[in-house]
Amino acid sequence: SQQGEEDPQALSIQEGENATMNCSYKTSINNLQWYRQNSGRGLVHLILIRSNEREKHSGRLRVTLDTSKKSSSLLITASRAADTASYFCATEGGSYIPTFGRGTSLIVHP
Amino acid sequence: DAGVIQSPRHEVTEMGQEVTLRCKPISGHDYLFWYRQTMMRGLELLIYFNNNVPIDDSGMPEDRFSAKMPNASFSTLKIQPSEPRDSAVYFCASSDSDGYTFGSGTRLTVV
Repeated sequence: SQQGEEDPQALSIQEGENATMNCSYKTSINNLQWYRQNSGRGLVHLILIRSNEREKHSGRLRVTLDTSKKSSSLLITASRAADTASYFCATEGGSYIPTFGRGTSLIVHP
Repeated sequence: DAGVIQSPRHEVTEMGQEVTLRCKPISGHDYLFWYRQTMMRGLELLIYFNNNVPIDDSGMPEDRFSAKMPNASFSTLKIQPSEPRDSAVYFCASSDSDGYTFGSGTRLTVV
C-alpha cells in the first residue's frame, strides 16, 4: 500500500519547542502532502512536496522528502499552543489521489 | 468562496434508517471525494468523482452505501439501511490543479 504512516502517533511538547513528525510510505509517489486537523474540524492543507523536490518551507513549517528512504518529515519551529492538532501525511501515486495515514496527535503546552 | 459545504454537521439516526449526507464542492473544482474517518481505520477514501462521473468506488464498504453527483455543485452519500458500525465522521473534499479543500464533515451516529 502507498498509504503513509506517521510517527510518532502522539507528541507532547512545550510552547517554543520544535515539533518533528515523520511519514513513511511503501511505494513510489508523485506527491506528498501534509494536512492539519483541529479537533472536530475538517482537514486543512498545509504543504505539498513533489517527488523531485527535497525540501519546502512555508512560514514556520519545513517539509523534507527523501524518496530513497520513502520518508518525509514535517518540522514546526517555535511551536505555539494553537499548533495543537492532528497532522496527517497523504501520498499520491499514479492516480494522484491522496491516501492518508493515521496521523500524529500534537499537543503544545502553553 | 465559502469552501466545501457539508450538511448536516451532525446526524443521529436509528439503526435501519436511511441516511443522506450532502456536499457542495467549491465551484470550478473538477474532483470530488468522499472520505470516512474513524479511530480504528483512520481516513478512508470511499469514492471519488471527476467531472461528476464516479471514477473509483472501490472504497465503498458495502452495497448499503451509494453516492451520486447529479451536477457539478452537489453530491450525496447515502447509507440504506444504516448500522451502528457506520458511525463515523464523513468528509467531502473537492480539488482542482491547485489542491484539495475539505469540508467540516458530518458526524454520523447510528444507535
